[in-house]
Amino acid sequence: AQKITQTQPGMFVQEKEAVTLDCTYDTSDQSYGLFWYKQPSSGEMIFLIYQGSYDEQNATEGRYSLNFQKARKSANLVISASQLGDSAMYFCATLYNNNDMRFGAGTRLTVKP
Amino acid sequence: NAGVTQTPKFRVLKTGQSMTLLCAQDMNHEYMYWYRQDPGMGLRLIHYSVGEGTTAKGEVPDGYNVSRLKKQNFLLGLESAAPSQTSVYFCASSLGGKTEAFFGQGTRLTVV
Repeated sequence: AQKITQTQPGMFVQEKEAVTLDCTYDTSDQSYGLFWYKQPSSGEMIFLIYQGSYDEQNATEGRYSLNFQKARKSANLVISASQLGDSAMYFCATLYNNNDMRFGAGTRLTVKP
Repeated sequence: NAGVTQTPKFRVLKTGQSMTLLCAQDMNHEYMYWYRQDPGMGLRLIHYSVGEGTTAKGEVPDGYNVSRLKKQNFLLGLESAAPSQTSVYFCASSLGGKTEAFFGQGTRLTVV
């Protein structure tokens, strides 16, 4: 079965420090995509970053980077220089067969001042 | 810049009632999705569509039906609502392939 696992229900980080949010996935597909979304307390879903399974370099978008380890089937999100506004739920998602986007259970990140 | 619009934003139903949630997108996206979000379970895919006139089942399709008669609209129907369908429902759309999905603001549905 295709499955996305986020093992950290909650994480705390001090403002200005870096934090890594874990994500592992299980797929037999050769070609797939990996996404991270942020959901603040207001409820909207905000796209952060994307990694393709054949991309040779790890994706980066501003303070967000994706630590992609294909052999281990992991796609961890790294947030550098955390800000108070980064406090939110973070979801990892995988696109299977180019059609079907599935999400993990999420990690609640709290940034401490 | 409307993006993805869900109607209604809130609804309370009695057990056994029916209703339809409407999702409309103005980005000419081929792919559309319906998810439900429950505490501690993330987003679970109900149904999705890869183009006008097509639909497919996701992880949790039971108790729901969908239709995609027009490219810009994706309707989610509950024929006989149950308390277990109390949730926040999100619609999303994408160009397809390996592109990000854009989400609506969500619909909070309570079935009593």
